[in-house]
Amino acid sequence: QVQLQESGPGLVKPSETLSLTCTVSGGSISDYYWTWIRQPPGKGLEWLGHMYSSETANYNPSLKSRVTISIDTSKNQVSLRLSSVTAADTAVYYCARDKSAVGTFDIWGQGTMVTVSS
Amino acid sequence: QSALTQPRSVSGSPGQSVTISCTGASSDVGTYNYVSWYQEHPGKAPKLIIYDVSKRPSGVPDRFSGSKSGNTASLTISGLQAEDEADYSCCSYAVTDKFVVFGGGTKLTVL
Repeated sequence: QVQLQESGPGLVKPSETLSLTCTVSGGSISDYYWTWIRQPPGKGLEWLGHMYSSETANYNPSLKSRVTISIDTSKNQVSLRLSSVTAADTAVYYCARDKSAVGTFDIWGQGTMVTVSS
Repeated sequence: QSALTQPRSVSGSPGQSVTISCTGASSDVGTYNYVSWYQEHPGKAPKLIIYDVSKRPSGVPDRFSGSKSGNTASLTISGLQAEDEADYSCCSYAVTDKFVVFGGGTKLTVL
């Protein structure tokens, strides 16, 4: 049974870089699109981007210049980096598995809350 | 502002049916049959309940059904149960820029 677990700092200072890791257990990281999604308090879900195995990543155009997703197949981990954060980046961050890059997220991590504050 | 528009809230009594709409554009909902729906209980990860407009993953009751007409997708929950009280979010592939968009979420209250 595949499980996802997000980890990383819960507090990030404005203008710094948010870094999170998603560890995939119980299955291979190959052959799926690994996605980061966030949900600000009281708001809807927002797709940040995805990467297929260790190939090209695709990002939300509204964040494209600030977001980077990478995969370490040797560790079965997916990473997210979001630069120049502001309070608007405060959210619960989820990693999720997408079967076919069209928004079918069949497995989700529990999510991790990240607060941007000085 | 979310790319897909959902009502903020809907409600229904146990046993009744409710329908949640999800309105997009010809560049997302209206183009491909890649609409999915997620159920969110507080403090828990979202759960996939409908994909490809009307398909149900294994284990999801057939009380949940999905459909699409033009640029609007719909989720119908029949035979409402107390445990159906949750937030529901729609999601669609967007052909422009090849990315994924979500709705703002709808809070379902079971009266």
